[in-house]
Amino acid sequence: KAGVTQTPRYLIKTRGQQVTLSCSPISGHRSVSWYQQTPGQGLQFLFEYFSETQRNKGNFPGRFSGRQFSNSRSEMNVSTLELGDSALYLCASRREGPGGGYTFGSGTRLTVV
Amino acid sequence: ELKVEQNPLFLSMQEGKNYTIYCNYSTTSDRLYWYRQDPGKSLESLFVLLSNGAVKQEGRLMASLDTKARLSTLHITAAVHDLSATYFCAVDLQGGSEKLVFGKGTKLTVNP
Repeated sequence: KAGVTQTPRYLIKTRGQQVTLSCSPISGHRSVSWYQQTPGQGLQFLFEYFSETQRNKGNFPGRFSGRQFSNSRSEMNVSTLELGDSALYLCASRREGPGGGYTFGSGTRLTVV
Repeated sequence: ELKVEQNPLFLSMQEGKNYTIYCNYSTTSDRLYWYRQDPGKSLESLFVLLSNGAVKQEGRLMASLDTKARLSTLHITAAVHDLSATYFCAVDLQGGSEKLVFGKGTKLTVNP
């Protein structure tokens, strides 16, 4: 079965621009969460969506936002990009239920110059 | 606030040797996950541990969970070069917060 699909794989943006990343979860998974990975801060939770509702949000500035569509696909948006936003952004989908693990996509590598 | 600590952060070992990576967490949880990450790649799920005393094995890797001690271990048996990667443990809060808190990762290098 298809895994979690993230697009694009790589992005180079200039400071001040905005960017939108996309994530398509595994079919049937309604929970989608986003993580930022940097060498300095490691893996940090951004937000989680379920049935188009944000259920949880990490400690990131308001420049980071997201949404989820009725087909469970999710997007995250970062506005007014800063150099420190350069990171690997990972999306995970999860099947509901106690045994459901998190499956991660290949990630989007964002470089802000 | 849930905190997850892994140690060691760096591990260099010879092929054929055994070693254990430790993962401690600060708040009650009964869901612990182990992931592997190769350089420039995403996270590959290794184990999902859902209850106290859970033990899972896959090849040369075995993971266990002690919820009373808030400790999980990832044991490597007879290491081979292909196991070289960074290993992360992660925990989410009881009640299913749908938010993973990760350890800093253990970078494992297996030398021939």
